[in-house]
Amino acid sequence: DQQVKQNSPSLSVQEGRISILNCDYTNSMFDYFLWYKKYPAEGPTFLISISSIKDKNEDGRFTVFLNKSAKHLSLHIVPSQPGDSAVYFCALRGGYGNKLVFGAGTILRVKS
Amino acid sequence: GAGVSQTPSNKVTEKGKYVELRCDPISGHTALYWYRQSLGQGPEFLIYFQGTGAADDSGLPNDRFFAVRPEGSVSTLKIQRTERGDSAVYLCASSLAGVGAGANVLTFGAGSRLTVL
Repeated sequence: DQQVKQNSPSLSVQEGRISILNCDYTNSMFDYFLWYKKYPAEGPTFLISISSIKDKNEDGRFTVFLNKSAKHLSLHIVPSQPGDSAVYFCALRGGYGNKLVFGAGTILRVKS
Repeated sequence: GAGVSQTPSNKVTEKGKYVELRCDPISGHTALYWYRQSLGQGPEFLIYFQGTGAADDSGLPNDRFFAVRPEGSVSTLKIQRTERGDSAVYLCASSLAGVGAGANVLTFGAGSRLTVL
């Protein structure tokens, strides 16, 4: 029973265009939402987050949107750069402690 | 240290053997987590320590898996009688304690890749 789903295994985008990565969840108890980026042979690196009391958080080229009624989270990267090519995971926190539940990831390829 | 350090980076073992994986968290981070990542999947929670005690071990798949953190800093994940299905990247992460944005962000190590032949 997957609580967090990233339905697109991969995404290919031209340099300079917008990348949109999506994440859907089923459990309303999640209260904090994060995006991590992962390069090969490295651990996931924190990118941006949003709490459940907000619907948008922006940090430079990265914006995260939260639609609680739809249980949907998205990450927008604009403009996309070749260095953004990596695997992106959404990670959701809920319940006791800071345990995060991760999606399966989306491979982003930004073509120059 | 500056980041989360995990050793070994790679471990190849035979089915039935015992394995230990080590994690050295960021100094000052009292919360420590172990995750497991299989090919094509996201990290899967195993266990969470707050200080020396395991606050949540609900993700450990069975009693062959055990983790300790005796002094509230370095942690060791122990796997007994390894099976081929245990092959994965084992990730360790640490974070600040308590509530707030800093406590929600986990900093991960590069992982220990375990291969059971």
